[in-house]
Amino acid sequence: AIQLTQSPSSLSASVGDRVTITCRASQDISRALAWYQQKPGKAPRLLIYDASSLGSGVPSRFSGSGSGTDFTLTISSLQPEDFATYFCQHFNTYRGTFGGGTKVEIK
Amino acid sequence: EMQLVESGGGSVQPGGSLRLSCATSGFTFSSYGFNWVRQAPGMGLEWVSYISDGGGTMYYADSVKGRFTISRDNAKNSLYLQTNSLRAEDTAIYYCARDYTSGWYGGHYFDSWGQGTLVTVSS
Repeated sequence: AIQLTQSPSSLSASVGDRVTITCRASQDISRALAWYQQKPGKAPRLLIYDASSLGSGVPSRFSGSGSGTDFTLTISSLQPEDFATYFCQHFNTYRGTFGGGTKVEIK
Repeated sequence: EMQLVESGGGSVQPGGSLRLSCATSGFTFSSYGFNWVRQAPGMGLEWVSYISDGGGTMYYADSVKGRFTISRDNAKNSLYLQTNSLRAEDTAIYYCARDYTSGWYGGHYFDSWGQGTLVTVSS
């Protein structure tokens, strides 16, 4: 089964910072990767799909890149509402899998 | 407005059963596949199961295979998860999530989610 490893597991940043989160797949998954944002007590929200396509209504400060095994989620200028936990996700032919999550906290 | 509303969660003893439901509105239910995703308290997300738009294809995580059954009723715009032989490690919030496939790379993504229903398995 494909495994997704996110790093870091947590980070502290300030409003206005550029933030980068990485997700590494255990085998080549082409560009079939998504990123989600989850705030406490809320359901996840789709941010990015197909590695770099922006989800509906997602601000342009969010971007995704990568292919194969290495992927990146970038927040170009962190806003107060962006403090949350971020997950990467892949679904191959028979099952889905999520990364362990990256918690973005206020410095 | 698109809505997904889960129900059916609760407290149950180990070995017990629950039937989770997800009622939907605001879109053509029969045109989409669906997933169940769960989240144990303070933990990450775990994909549980998938069902295709017509109901003919179903997938399960190894952790629930043989114990959980996903189903749907397109006439009622509803998704279900029958959970049997529940264990303490099944304790989690269970979310239903609409499936989206872009077609370019074969990926399945979860583009709309319900608010979740909590299942607690404890003696």
